Amino acid sequence: TQLLEQSPQFLSIQEGENLTVYCNSSSVFSSLQWYRQEPGEGPVLLVTVVTGGEVKKLKRLTFQFGDARKDSSLHITAAQPGDTGLYLCAGDPLKDTGNQFYFGTGTSLTVIP
Amino acid sequence: DTGVSQNPRHKITKRGQNVTFRCDPISEHNRLYWYRQTLGQGPEFLTYFQNEAQLEKSRLLSDRFSAERPKGSFSTLEIQRTEQGDSAMYLCASRDSLYPEAFFGQGTRLTVV
Repeated sequence: TQLLEQSPQFLSIQEGENLTVYCNSSSVFSSLQWYRQEPGEGPVLLVTVVTGGEVKKLKRLTFQFGDARKDSSLHITAAQPGDTGLYLCAGDPLKDTGNQFYFGTGTSLTVIP
Repeated sequence: DTGVSQNPRHKITKRGQNVTFRCDPISEHNRLYWYRQTLGQGPEFLTYFQNEAQLEKSRLLSDRFSAERPKGSFSTLEIQRTEQGDSAMYLCASRDSLYPEAFFGQGTRLTVV
């Protein structure tokens, strides 16, 4: 059982469209990170959210941390082909069952020009 | 500091051979993680070091896999008697225990033929 579930798993949209990716858990997280990964490369950190209800903006990307710190979302406005990649959420659960840094199941985004 | 560095970037090996990968973390980071990733999926936890101590290993990690972090600096991951199922991207990440973010290397792509 995955601690962090992402949806959708795959997303293919036209350039200029908006989209939202969800990251959900039954556990409370002290913080969540979002990463983007391009083929053949390692994940690159986009943002960290720490406070319940927090909203962070990074240009066309808006990240939200749920009030209960069990979920997060990533919204992309006017998607561009350069946004194509694998989006991953990750973090440490508050009641850590080990020393892992947990990853979500991933959302593969393709933006078609 | 140039970030997390992994070598080699690509490795092709014959089934049954041993391979070793190296990870050089960000110098002040005391935590180091190894993950395995297959195409389109989120990274799968393998093992974790705090300084030189290996504090956790995934139950999925067979005894053909071993990792070390002598002196709490660089780390090596060795796979003995490689199998085709070991073909994957192997990722290393490091983090400072005071901060939530983990930073990744570019990964080592292993192909077992």
